[in-house]
This record gives sequence, structure tokens and C-alpha cells, in this order.
Amino acid sequence: KAGVTQTPRYLIKTRGQQVTLSCSPISGHRSVSWYQQTPGQGLQFLFEYFSETQRNKGNFPGRFSGRQFSNSRSEMNVSTLELGDSALYLCASSLVEGARYEQYFGPGTRLTVT
Amino acid sequence: AQKVTQAQTEISVVEKEDVTLDCVYETRDTTYYLFWYKQPPSGELVFLIRRNSFDEQNEISGRYSWNFQKSTSSFNFTITASQVVDSAVYFCALFNSNSGYALNFGKGTSLLVTP
Repeated sequence: KAGVTQTPRYLIKTRGQQVTLSCSPISGHRSVSWYQQTPGQGLQFLFEYFSETQRNKGNFPGRFSGRQFSNSRSEMNVSTLELGDSALYLCASSLVEGARYEQYFGPGTRLTVT
Repeated sequence: AQKVTQAQTEISVVEKEDVTLDCVYETRDTTYYLFWYKQPPSGELVFLIRRNSFDEQNEISGRYSWNFQKSTSSFNFTITASQVVDSAVYFCALFNSNSGYALNFGKGTSLLVTP
């Protein structure tokens, strides 16, 4: 079974631009969560989608948004990029909603904002 | 409030040594779940174990073992006879009702195993 895939793997953007990251979950998984990882703040939860509905959102500004499609694939968007948005963005999928069960993570998208 | 503390930022051992990674958590819930994930240099988090708060049995999986003690709110991870391939960052994480649908991660412990 294929794992979680994320595209692109690496991205360089300039301040003020916007970016869209994509995540394809494991086949059959309906929940997709997004996390931001930085050296200073560690791993922080962004949001989770289950059956195309956002179930929960972390403490991030409205510039961070996402969506999930009917095939469970998910995208996250960051508008008006800031230098502090440079991070590894990880996507995780699981069979059911919520993280009480194991989540399977993708390799991440490394975003650099200059 | 819920919190996960991994006090060890970095650990360095020589191959074949045993090493224990500490994890202390805080939660007021009686039902919660604890996890360990491994993050190799490639970046993706690899699931290692999940434990619910009602199951205090220790678990062993090959060279890996986990010691869950509710009395001290700890969920420690031991690697026996470490190998170079064990070099990675290891994260302990907590899930409970107050965390919504998210995992609350510790800051991670970077383990370096040298030949």
C-alpha cells in the first residue's frame, strides 16, 4: 500500500507570495492532519480534515487555510507569506478522525520563505 | 492543560549501548493516549507505538521497549543494543479530549549512535 505523499517536497517563495501544498493520504484513510515543524516551536498542529470537513484548527492565523476533496486528498494554503512561515509542513493520514489512533506521516514539504 | 516534556535534547551513545529516552506528560483526563514517533533525517515521522491510559503493561518489540507508569506520568522508551540506524529524533506525543483532534508533541530527543 502506498504511503502518504506530499508535493512538492521543496519550495522556495518570497515574502508576500502565497503557496499551496498538497497531500495524498493512504488509500482508504479519510482523515488528514497538517502539522508545522520548526526548530524553535517544534511540531505544531495546524488543522485536521475528515470527510471534507475541518474538524479542528490549531492556533495559527487566518493566512493558513486548507481543504479536503472527496477523494480525501488535501491541500493547505498559506497566503501573504512571512519569513517565519519557513518550516517543514507535515501531513498525516489516519483511518478515522482524531489522533487517538496512529497517524501515518508523509515526508513533508520543506518551505523556505526569503 | 496538557503538556509533554522530553527533557533530554540530545543523547549520544556508542553502538551496542542501551539508551532510554524519557517522556513525562501532564493531563487531567483519565482517558488519554500516548505515542512515540521516530523522525529519521529523511523527515517523515514513523509511528512506533500507541498506548492508552488504561493499559499500563510494558511492551517490547524487538530491541525497543516502553515503560508506562501512570504514577509518575511517564512513558519512557528504551533501545537495547543500539545501532547506527537508530540515529534519529524521537518524539513523544499525547492525545486527550482537550487536545481536540490533535497530537500534542514533546520537543523531541535527538539520538546519535556512533560506530
